[in-house]
Amino acid sequence: EDQVTQSPEALRLQEGESSSLNCSYTVSGLRGLFWYRQDPGKGPEFLFTLYSAGEEKEKERLKATLTKKESFLHITAPKPEDSATYLCAVQAPGGSYIPTFGRGTSLIVHP
Amino acid sequence: ETGVTQTPRHLVMGMTNKKSLKCEQHLGHNAMYWYKQSAKKPLELMFVYSLEERVENNSVPSRFSPECPNSSHLFLHLHTLQPEDSALYLCASSQGNRNYGYTFGSGTRLTVV
Repeated sequence: EDQVTQSPEALRLQEGESSSLNCSYTVSGLRGLFWYRQDPGKGPEFLFTLYSAGEEKEKERLKATLTKKESFLHITAPKPEDSATYLCAVQAPGGSYIPTFGRGTSLIVHP
Repeated sequence: ETGVTQTPRHLVMGMTNKKSLKCEQHLGHNAMYWYKQSAKKPLELMFVYSLEERVENNSVPSRFSPECPNSSHLFLHLHTLQPEDSALYLCASSQGNRNYGYTFGSGTRLTVV
């Protein structure tokens, strides 16, 4: 069973059509939750780290929020250049700080 | 050059070949990682080298062998691979491995024929 589940698997939006991506996790005592963006043919690019429920972080048209069970990546008025795969990763409590990644959400924004 | 650099970008190898992937980071980070990325699957951690922990994923076959001669360089030696090993291999680095995001390289696209 996956500790980190991302939905939807794929999302198509029109330019300017706001939406949200979801990352749900089953671990308790979260150490940290990470969001990355990955463009085709490239490695993931770090976006945000969230540590506790209620925390929010913003970068341009992206805003990440965190609850005790899930995180949302809100995309406001997206542009075609926001098209990418968005990855979520979770650090669980325990000895290792290595995060567990979700399968990602592939976002396509049409002009 | 800055960031995390991986070479080669693309590699096609036969099942009997021996090859190596190289990763170099210019960020002054003290932890480096190898990940495998296959289609429709989550990123899979293969190996970690850091001052705080050294981790090997026990499910990684012995035909993959890491080498970390210093904090700036990381290698992945490949030997007698199988077609199912075809994937994107990503190197990453971080300053510590606690609550910091990773900086990834662009990856090596490996095809085993």
